[in-house]
Amino acid sequence: GAVVSQHPSRVICKSGTSVKIECRSLDFQATTMFWYRQFPKKSLMLMATSNEGSKATYEQGVEKDKFLINHASLTLSTLTVTSAHPEDSSFYICSVDPATRPNEQFFGPGTRLTVL
Amino acid sequence: SQQGEEDPQALSIQEGENATMNCSYKTSINNLQWYRQNSGRGLVHLILIRSNEREKHSGRLRVTLDTSKKSSSLLITASRAADTASYFCATDGGKLIFGQGTELSVKP
Repeated sequence: GAVVSQHPSRVICKSGTSVKIECRSLDFQATTMFWYRQFPKKSLMLMATSNEGSKATYEQGVEKDKFLINHASLTLSTLTVTSAHPEDSSFYICSVDPATRPNEQFFGPGTRLTVL
Repeated sequence: SQQGEEDPQALSIQEGENATMNCSYKTSINNLQWYRQNSGRGLVHLILIRSNEREKHSGRLRVTLDTSKKSSSLLITASRAADTASYFCATDGGKLIFGQGTELSVKP
């Protein structure tokens, strides 16, 4: 069965609205989760590292006020795309890095965001 | 920035043939991992090879790692139509950095 779930699987929204994407670790407690974005036929780009109980660590060039990350529990991290614009349309994927399975990340099924 | 580069970018073969994909990287690593992604879906972990290993097998998959050349290859033997997907290498030097991927198409 799925180890990591994401909700929603796809979302279409109007420009200017905010969208929240949830990432849940079903089998592991995860102090660390990762958020990636992927453009069509492109590679995954790491956006940020989500740390349970503390602030996320953002990669260079990723706006932390644009992409809000909250990791309030050991099984849930959320990514909120604020004031979304068409250029934010992308495939967003989260992954879990379980402490009990070092060097192994488990990826969610992804969320397709389309901003009109 | 992405440090992994893969070639070829796209590969089309007939069922039963072998498929070889290559990955090069730039910095030192703890390990290198290969993932598979079906269109519009999440990633599936295929195999991990540590920096002190040179070759690893898993079923029809064979991975090699040459740290002196900073390169790795993934070989899929006796390919099947169901192997059609994108394949990514990812280097782990503390966080995963993905290559650009190879789109594999296996024709029945």
